[in-house]
Amino acid sequence: LAKTTQPISMDSYEGQEVNITCSHNNIATNDYITWYQQFPSQGPRFIIQGYKTKVTNEVASLFIPADRKSSTLSLPRVSLSDTAVYYCLVGDDAAGNKLTFGGGTRVLVKP
Amino acid sequence: NAGVTQTPKFRVLKTGQSMTLLCAQDMNHEYMYWYRQDPGMGLRLIHYSVGEGTTAKGEVPDGYNVSRLKKQNFLLGLESAAPSQTSVYFCASSFPVPGLISGNTIYFGEGSWLTVV
Repeated sequence: LAKTTQPISMDSYEGQEVNITCSHNNIATNDYITWYQQFPSQGPRFIIQGYKTKVTNEVASLFIPADRKSSTLSLPRVSLSDTAVYYCLVGDDAAGNKLTFGGGTRVLVKP
Repeated sequence: NAGVTQTPKFRVLKTGQSMTLLCAQDMNHEYMYWYRQDPGMGLRLIHYSVGEGTTAKGEVPDGYNVSRLKKQNFLLGLESAAPSQTSVYFCASSFPVPGLISGNTIYFGEGSWLTVV
């Protein structure tokens, strides 16, 4: 299972774009990259998932370079309600792998 | 569609007592997981199951037991509660499509707050 490294915390202001980079140097061929968001006192929820290049949905964009050894979650024009912990997971579901979470990145959006 | 439901949501135990946390999912998912999350920390995997009747150890299995007698339920038991087990427990489930290489989207419950005094 690929180990991931992400910054512990990031501060931003309302209306700014927030980019969180996750390193996963030993990502395997079948691994996907998935990001989750967790608000205080709630379970994590799925934000976005990708395999390569760029993925965009109504919430965020995910940029994955060709070597796939890192990925960047981009949150456009953040608001106070985007204050949360963001987790990067790398893995695949084919073999029932043990999906482990790292410490995540605490994003604080200020007024 | 309830998704993943955990019971109870809150519980206070005395040291040495036992209890069971119940997780139920109505999405017909194959995989289920139990995590714990201590204050200010990330999630740590306790046990997981890849199908009915199967269980496996995660990162921090000591002091816990699990059972998956029915596909929709995953039970987490504390045999003899200790203050170190004070935490928030999250159950989760996911559904890999056999033979299809894809990412694994995990669905979480709302958490169970356990305090051991």
